[in-house]
Amino acid sequence: EIVMTQSPATLSVSPGERATLSCRASQSVSSNLAWYQQKPGQAPRLLIYGASTRATGIPARFSGSGSGTEFTLTISSLQSEDFAVYYCQQYNNWPSVTFGGGTKVEIK
Amino acid sequence: QVTLKESGPVLVKPTETLTLTCTVSGFSLSNARMGVSWIRQPPGKALEWLAHIFSNDEKSYSTSLKSRLTISKDTSKSQVVLTMTNMDPVDTATYYCARIQRVVAVILFDPWGQGTLVTVSS
Repeated sequence: EIVMTQSPATLSVSPGERATLSCRASQSVSSNLAWYQQKPGQAPRLLIYGASTRATGIPARFSGSGSGTEFTLTISSLQSEDFAVYYCQQYNNWPSVTFGGGTKVEIK
Repeated sequence: QVTLKESGPVLVKPTETLTLTCTVSGFSLSNARMGVSWIRQPPGKALEWLAHIFSNDEKSYSTSLKSRLTISKDTSKSQVVLTMTNMDPVDTATYYCARIQRVVAVILFDPWGQGTLVTVSS
């Protein structure tokens, strides 16, 4: 099983600042990686797939990068609605998929 | 508009079998590029993939839970059913279903249902 490790577990950021979230795979997943946003009491929402392609309706302040084992989700200027938990997911080992442990982005 | 909605018991007893239903709208379970996946999330914890099913009845299961899971679909009712046997308190979680789209080499889990919280307790 491919293990996905996210860091940090919690990221404290002020509104308007940049947030950088990391996701590491235990073996190469090529670019077969997605990012999801989950707000309290809500289902996850797809943000990024293919490591860097924004899903429909996702604002341009969200960007993804990386390939192989190291990936980054960047939120260029945090808005109040962006404070949430973010998960990465690999689907390179399809049909098995695995999620990371999540990074909580909180208000500083 | 594509929507998915989970339904099932909110409380099950240890050793019982859980049956959850995902009712979909806005797309067909007969679409070759689309499927449905089940994912769960224990309170305050991360997401865990459980199973998928596609239009051709292709099924896949989490290795660690395979012996306890069965996924099936009723295309005419637009429903996907997940059963999990021998429930234990550690299976307490919110259970989500999500649409899967296979687009060339990309797999999209989008959108997700609202989730249903299942508590396992005697």
